[in-house]
Amino acid sequence: AQSVTQPDIHITVSEGASLELRCNYSYGATPYLFWYVQSPGQGLQLLLKYFSGDTLVQGIKGFEAEFKRSQSSFNLRKPSVHWSDAAEYFCAVVKEYGNKLVFGAGTILRVKS
Amino acid sequence: DAGVTQSPTHLIKTRGQQVTLRCSPKSGHDTVSWYQQALGQGPQFIFQYYEEEERQRGNFPDRFSGHQFPNYSSELNVNALLLGDSALYLCASSSKIRDIFNEQFFGPGTRLTVL
Repeated sequence: AQSVTQPDIHITVSEGASLELRCNYSYGATPYLFWYVQSPGQGLQLLLKYFSGDTLVQGIKGFEAEFKRSQSSFNLRKPSVHWSDAAEYFCAVVKEYGNKLVFGAGTILRVKS
Repeated sequence: DAGVTQSPTHLIKTRGQQVTLRCSPKSGHDTVSWYQQALGQGPQFIFQYYEEEERQRGNFPDRFSGHQFPNYSSELNVNALLLGDSALYLCASSSKIRDIFNEQFFGPGTRLTVL
């Protein structure tokens, strides 16, 4: 069965500092991978997705993620965090595009000024 | 272009009651998926509807049921509510093109509180 692990429950970074959120997945083949962001009381917004090809994918709001097959990881990065990035971030995997998403438990990002 | 809409925004029920949540998909989408997000957890897949039929189901009891209407909108019904059903219920819509389901777009969710 597919599973997603986000090892960090909370992360605090200073505004302007770089960010990396970790995600590890368990799946036999190359899955479709996603990062979503959720602001308090809101639904999920897709930041970026990986299907195949270039292992470094660019998303919205200046985010990027790198797929590393050897490490079964899909970590999310941003070079310079803004206070508005404070939210909860979810990594998700799907076996077939559009099929049911399997989410990690999420990482809450706090940004200090 | 309206995105995915859900109603109501918030709902309070008592144990044993029944509840119906509603979802209207994004324009042009024909597939609706429902997810339950308990506090402090990631969303968990409940089921997916396409062509008015349940196509996939997650690990949820039969108390959870759904329906899809000809206009592609959908309802989620939960019977005999338990305290543990308190959660944010998210609806996601997508389209099926050439036998491939495409990206899911999420609504803002319905916050259900069971007392």
